[in-house]
Amino acid sequence: TQLLEQSPQFLSIQEGENLTVYCNSSSVFSSLQWYRQEPGEGPVLLVTVVTGGEVKKLKRLTFQFGDARKDSSLHITAAQPGDTGLYLCADLFGNEKLTFGTGTRLTIIP
Amino acid sequence: DTGVSQDPRHKITKRGQNVTFRCDPISEHNRLYWYRQTLGQGPEFLTYFQNEAQLEKSRLLSDRFSAERPKGSFSTLEIQRTEQGDSAMYLCASSPWSGIQETQYFGPGTRLLVL
Repeated sequence: TQLLEQSPQFLSIQEGENLTVYCNSSSVFSSLQWYRQEPGEGPVLLVTVVTGGEVKKLKRLTFQFGDARKDSSLHITAAQPGDTGLYLCADLFGNEKLTFGTGTRLTIIP
Repeated sequence: DTGVSQDPRHKITKRGQNVTFRCDPISEHNRLYWYRQTLGQGPEFLTYFQNEAQLEKSRLLSDRFSAERPKGSFSTLEIQRTEQGDSAMYLCASSPWSGIQETQYFGPGTRLLVL
């Protein structure tokens, strides 16, 4: 059974600061996805990465996929209160079901 | 709004009672998924359908749980003889399966509390 560990579990920083959260898998990812989930809502897809070493940018968010396709990082530049939420990494196993990580709960303090 | 909808949004029940949740996927999405999310954890896969066929069930889905998608549109998830350990957020997602990489669109979830 694949295990996805995310760190840190909780992160609280001031508005305007930079941060990085991590996702590590016990096995090679099929297809790595990052989601953000706000309280009382379902997860919303941010990005999908497939190729080892791939880097994708989404405005102030930078996603990096490890060369060995077993780890990933999400870097946020100049964090804003709207970035607050639960960040989840997931493996889209066999292009079908998702296996989610444990999540990083991010709070941006105005 | 034509996103995934779930009903009810919140449900409080007593241990031993049966509960049923409904999910309405995005129109014309042929795949529908159910996940369960407990406090402080990521969602866990329960089961999924392609049209009306249930293609896979997780070992998490005990015999007290049953899911249906009778006409390939909406789906129901029933929990019989609820236990306190069933307390969780139940999430539904749908996707337009085309044989390649897909995006799953999640609903807002049904939060269940078993007393």
